[in-house]
Amino acid sequence: DIQMTQSPSSLSASIGDRVTITCRASQGITNYLAWFQQKPGKAPKSLIYSASNLHNGVPSRFSGSGSGADFTLTISSLQPEDFATYFCQQYKTYPLTFGGGTRVEIK
Amino acid sequence: EVQLLESGGDLVQPGGSLRLACATSGFTFSGYAMAWVRQAPGKGLEWVSTIGASRGATRYADSVRGRFTISTDNSRNTVYLQMNSLRAEDTAVYFCAKDRIEGDGYFDVEYWGQGTLVTVSS
Repeated sequence: DIQMTQSPSSLSASIGDRVTITCRASQGITNYLAWFQQKPGKAPKSLIYSASNLHNGVPSRFSGSGSGADFTLTISSLQPEDFATYFCQQYKTYPLTFGGGTRVEIK
Repeated sequence: EVQLLESGGDLVQPGGSLRLACATSGFTFSGYAMAWVRQAPGKGLEWVSTIGASRGATRYADSVRGRFTISTDNSRNTVYLQMNSLRAEDTAVYFCAKDRIEGDGYFDVEYWGQGTLVTVSS
């Protein structure tokens, strides 16, 4: 199975900060990498597919990059509604696997 | 507008069975692969099962293979998850998920349902 490792597991940031979350796959997954946002008690929301493509309606302050085994989710200017937990997920190979999540909290 | 609405979650005893349903609308159901993903209380996301767009191919996580069965009713635009021999560790919110691209291929989630809670406890 492909293991997905996210870092950090949590971070504190202020409104307007630039935030970067990393995701590393235990083996190369080309660009079959997705990012999701989840708020407490809610379903996940799809943000990015194919490592760098934004789903419809996702604000442009979100961006994704990387290929192979190392990936990054960046929020260019953190907004109040961005405080949430973020998960990466590989869909190159079954079983589909998720990272452990990164909780973004208010500083 | 795409909508996914899960139902069927409940409190069930260990060893029991439950069938979850995910009623969909807003897209051509028969053309898309569908999946179930779960989240134990306070934990991360875990993929459970996928059924291909052609409905011939199914995949399961090792933790549920042989106990869970995914299926669809294209006439009702609904995907199901039959769960047998339930264990305490199956306790979770179960989300259904829709593939982004029509047809069979790599499955990446575009839409999520709101989830339904399954609690396995005596």
